[in-house]
Amino acid sequence: QKEVEQDPGPLSVPEGAIVSLNCTYSNSAFQYFMWYRQYSRKGPELLMYTYSSGNKEDGRFTAQVDKSSKYISLFIRDSQPSDSATYLCAMSKGIDQFYFGTGTSLTVIP
Amino acid sequence: DVKVTQSSRYLVKRTGEKVFLECVQDMDHENMFWYRQDPGLGLRLIYFSYDVKMKEKGDIPEGYSVSREKKERFSLILESASTNQTSMYLCASSGGTTYNEQFFGPGTRLTVL
Repeated sequence: QKEVEQDPGPLSVPEGAIVSLNCTYSNSAFQYFMWYRQYSRKGPELLMYTYSSGNKEDGRFTAQVDKSSKYISLFIRDSQPSDSATYLCAMSKGIDQFYFGTGTSLTVIP
Repeated sequence: DVKVTQSSRYLVKRTGEKVFLECVQDMDHENMFWYRQDPGLGLRLIYFSYDVKMKEKGDIPEGYSVSREKKERFSLILESASTNQTSMYLCASSGGTTYNEQFFGPGTRLTVL
């Protein structure tokens, strides 16, 4: 079983829609949870970073962590064509133990 | 803004060649990482370094080595390139107390023929 599972999509939504991206994990020791956005032919860019459980909001983006269900989510409100990218979840127990999801490809159609 | 640069965007090498991939960061970060990214497998950690001259193996170190002689520079070395090392290689850096917030370079797409 993989440490982190992420639906690869692809996901296609109309502009203005609310997007929900999700990851599940198996290791209850994960404490740090990240979401990265990766545009085609670019390196990943850190979007959101949360510690332990709870919600974090930054503009149109909201990250949720449910440690009891081992489930994390990223919500994008009022999605824009510029949000079209691959979104990677990542989690960590410590500096030498990072695990990334395989990424979900998102297309926002104008 | 943190800037992480990688020496090449695209590289084509022959089987058996020694390959050097260079990474430089300009934010005085203590930690530096090398990953490879493959479709369906995501990012996998090859090596990381938390200080000059220090290195630690990640999940897939076989066939690779690293060098960190200066704080800002972290090199990945493929001693004898093989076709199964064809991949996207990503370098990242992070600060000492914020090591989970990694900043990535643009990547090097390496093809080994």
